Amino acid sequence: EAGVTQFPSHSVIEKGQTVTLRCDPISGHDNLYWYRRVMGKEIKFLLHFVKESKQDESGMPNNRFLAERTGGTYSTLKVQPAELEDSGVYFCASSHWRVWGPYEQFFGPGTRLTVL
Amino acid sequence: QKEVEQNSGPLSVPEGAIASLNCTYSDRGSQSFFWYRQYSGKSPELIMSIYSNGDKEDGRFTAQLNKASQYVSLLIRDSQPSDSATYLCAVNSRTSGGYQKVTFGTGTKLQVIP
Repeated sequence: EAGVTQFPSHSVIEKGQTVTLRCDPISGHDNLYWYRRVMGKEIKFLLHFVKESKQDESGMPNNRFLAERTGGTYSTLKVQPAELEDSGVYFCASSHWRVWGPYEQFFGPGTRLTVL
Repeated sequence: QKEVEQNSGPLSVPEGAIASLNCTYSDRGSQSFFWYRQYSGKSPELIMSIYSNGDKEDGRFTAQLNKASQYVSLLIRDSQPSDSATYLCAVNSRTSGGYQKVTFGTGTKLQVIP
């Protein structure tokens, strides 16, 4: 079974540019999560999809971030326009769904974003 | 108060010893608890999950949960240099919107000295 994959692995862009990150979850996982880890800080939740619907986007920092999951398969996270403070590692995770709480989440390798 | 608190370390233990990693959480309603291992430059890897009070053992790893004290720990027996990594405690909690989400601690860096 293939794990969670993310693309690209690294991205270096200039302030004001646009970047789109992609995540392919484990096949059959309805839940898809985006997280971000800024240098020296803890992993922070950004948002959660259940299939194609945004279940919780309370962690999205501002409206420069747009996440989509068309068809309930892969997801994209677009940052437009990028700012210096957006630099960090963006992780995607996926899990099964169960009624009383989250299943174990499996993480992708992350995308390291550097905004210059 | 942070939702999930861990000592950042580093925690140094000699090879073969027991490493004890601790985590406290603030949401009394939390139901699911996870330990992830993260090697430098890599993504978090799930190593243990625990849902009920008591101990759960898996090989050299034992997770311990005490919901009354809002405390979860991870014991690593016979520590090996390859166990050197950052260990992340993750706890599910309910958001103000009523959704379940997982919150991570900052992680404890473990160093196993050969």
